[in-house]
Amino acid sequence: EIVMTQSPATLSASPGERATLSCRASQSVSSDLAWYLQKPGQAPRLLIYGASTRATGIPARFSGSGSGTEFTLTISSLQSEDFAVYYCQQYNNWPLTFGGGTKVEIK
Amino acid sequence: EVQVLESGGGLVQSGGSLRLSCAASGFTFSSHAMGWVRQAPGKGLDWVSTISNSGDYTYYADSVKGRFTISRDNSKNTLYLQMNSLRAEDTALYYCAKKRLPSTPGQDYFDYWGLGTLVTVSS
Repeated sequence: EIVMTQSPATLSASPGERATLSCRASQSVSSDLAWYLQKPGQAPRLLIYGASTRATGIPARFSGSGSGTEFTLTISSLQSEDFAVYYCQQYNNWPLTFGGGTKVEIK
Repeated sequence: EVQVLESGGGLVQSGGSLRLSCAASGFTFSSHAMGWVRQAPGKGLDWVSTISNSGDYTYYADSVKGRFTISRDNSKNTLYLQMNSLRAEDTALYYCAKKRLPSTPGQDYFDYWGLGTLVTVSS
């Protein structure tokens, strides 16, 4: 099983700041990496797939990068609606696995 | 508009069974693989199972293999999860989710999720 590790567990930032979230895979997943955002009481929402492609309707302030074992999600300028929990997921191998999440909270 | 709506959750005793359903609309259900992902209270996301668009191929997490069965009825646009021998650690909100790409091997990530149905297993 591929283990996905996200860091930091919690990121405190102010609106307008840049946020950088990391996701590491225990073995190479190529570019088979997705990012999701989840707000309290809501279902997860797909942000990024293929490590760097934004899903439909996702603002350009969200960008993904990386391949192999190291991935990054960057939010260029945090908006109020971006404070939530972010998960990465690999789909290179079964079983599908998620990271433990990064909570982005208001500083 | 794509919609997936889960039902069938509830409170069950350890060792019991439940069947979850997921009604889908707004897309060609028979063209897309579907999956179940769960989230224990206050925890992260945990993939449970995926079924191919035709139903010919199924995949399971080791934690549920042999106890859970995923299936689908393309004539009813409905996904199912039969859960047997339930354990306290199966307590979670169970999400139904749609794979983004139709009829494509691999690329198993999900672009639409339901709001979930809560399964509580009492010991």
